[in-house]
Amino acid sequence: QLVLTQSPSASASLGASVKLTCTVSIGHINYAIAWHQQQPEKGPRYLMKVNSDGSHSKGDGIPDRFSGSSSGTERYLTISSLQSEDEADYYCQTWGTAWVFGGGTKLTVL
Amino acid sequence: EVQLVESGGGLVQPGGSLRLSCAASGFIFSKYAMSWVRLAPGKGLEWVSAITANGGGTNYGDSAKGRFTISRDNSKDTLYLQLNSLTAEDTAIYYCAKIAARSSGWINYFDYWGQGTLVTVSS
Repeated sequence: QLVLTQSPSASASLGASVKLTCTVSIGHINYAIAWHQQQPEKGPRYLMKVNSDGSHSKGDGIPDRFSGSSSGTERYLTISSLQSEDEADYYCQTWGTAWVFGGGTKLTVL
Repeated sequence: EVQLVESGGGLVQPGGSLRLSCAASGFIFSKYAMSWVRLAPGKGLEWVSAITANGGGTNYGDSAKGRFTISRDNSKDTLYLQLNSLTAEDTAIYYCAKIAARSSGWINYFDYWGQGTLVTVSS
């Protein structure tokens, strides 16, 4: 079964960097994922697609501070130079015969 | 600029029905598959349903099967979701999302989202 696992919460200081992790179920190690950001009271926003080889392609207008990478079954979203507006829920998503979301990570900027 | 604007949400009694709409602009609507995703209070994003670009193929999540119907009118650049037999567990913000194109097949990631419409099921 295709499952994505995320830690429920993460925190980092203003101006620092944070690396969020999305783990793909072991039988789906070659699956790409997409990262989406949902700020409070807003609709989700597509950030980027991350392939199993670590390559990534970002959505329109996504700042260079956001980057993606991959290692084994783990897909990462790294946000550098954290800003207050980065405080949001971050979801990973993948697709096979249907669509699957991870449980989301609530990022707090201290 | 791609825009997706949902409407049709509101308060409905358990067992009731509602039809959601999503008006699309800024891209050639008829060339892209589309989807509905929901966010229930205190929960994470949940995929609900999706439809191919020409409307000939549909797919539903377990919570939607047998109760919800997705459709589209490419002449009106509009996506729909008919919600029937609603329960309190269907209370959520419903978002429409554009599915990114791919060279083969139609199942892919979501590259644009709307702002959502709130559905509240309560007596």
